Amino acid sequence: GAGVSQTPSNKVTEKGKYVELRCDPISGHTALYWYRQSLGQGPEFLIYFQGTGAADDSGLPNDRFFAVRPEGSVSTLKIQRTERGDSAVYLCASSLGSGNEQFFGPGTRLTVL
Amino acid sequence: QKEVEQDPGPLSVPEGAIVSLNCTYSNSAFQYFMWYRQYSRKGPELLMYTYSSGNKEDGRFTAQVDKSSKYISLFIRDSQPSDSATYLCASGIIFGKGTRLHILP
Repeated sequence: GAGVSQTPSNKVTEKGKYVELRCDPISGHTALYWYRQSLGQGPEFLIYFQGTGAADDSGLPNDRFFAVRPEGSVSTLKIQRTERGDSAVYLCASSLGSGNEQFFGPGTRLTVL
Repeated sequence: QKEVEQDPGPLSVPEGAIVSLNCTYSNSAFQYFMWYRQYSRKGPELLMYTYSSGNKEDGRFTAQVDKSSKYISLFIRDSQPSDSATYLCASGIIFGKGTRLHILP
C-alpha cells in the first residue's frame, strides 16, 4: 500500500515569508507526527496528533509554528515569518496509534534565503 | 544530557563483517525502541521495533534491548555495501543523532 507522502519535496522561500508543508499519512493511521531534522542530527520532535487533536505540541519551537489535522488524515505544518534558522528537512511520520511503530515520509527540504 | 545517545561514527567495516551499532538511553520510562536506516536525502526507514528486553531477529538484522543497563543494539550480519547509511535509534519520539556506517567492498 501507499506509504506516507509529503509535499512539496523541496521548498525555497525568502526570510519573512509564510510556508505550508503537507503530509498524507498511511490510510488508517490515527497518529501523525512532525519532526525537523538538521544536517548530522536525528529527527527532532515537533508535534503529535491523535486523530484531529494535537496530543503533544511541546516540540514546537515558538508561536511561528502551527500544525493542523482537521479531518484526522492529512496534516499541514504552517510556518509564519520564516527565518534562516528554520532551514531543515521537515519529516512526517504516521502510526496505527500511540506506541506503535512510526513510518516516515520522504521529507520536505525547506530552505529559507 | 540527551535522552538517547549514539556514537556518530563514521563506522567503517569490510563487506561481510558483522556490524554492531549501539545506543544508550537515560529515561527508565522508555518502553519501546526502534531502529531506522536513513540513506542520504531520504526519510528514515523502519528496520526494527522492539518492546521488551531480549533479542528480536529479522533476516540479517537482530535488535537487542537490555533495560537493566538502558542499552540497545542492532547487529547486521553479512554486511553489504547497500547497508551503508545512517542508523538511528529511537524510543517513542526521542531519537539519537544517528551513526554513519560505511561498508567497504
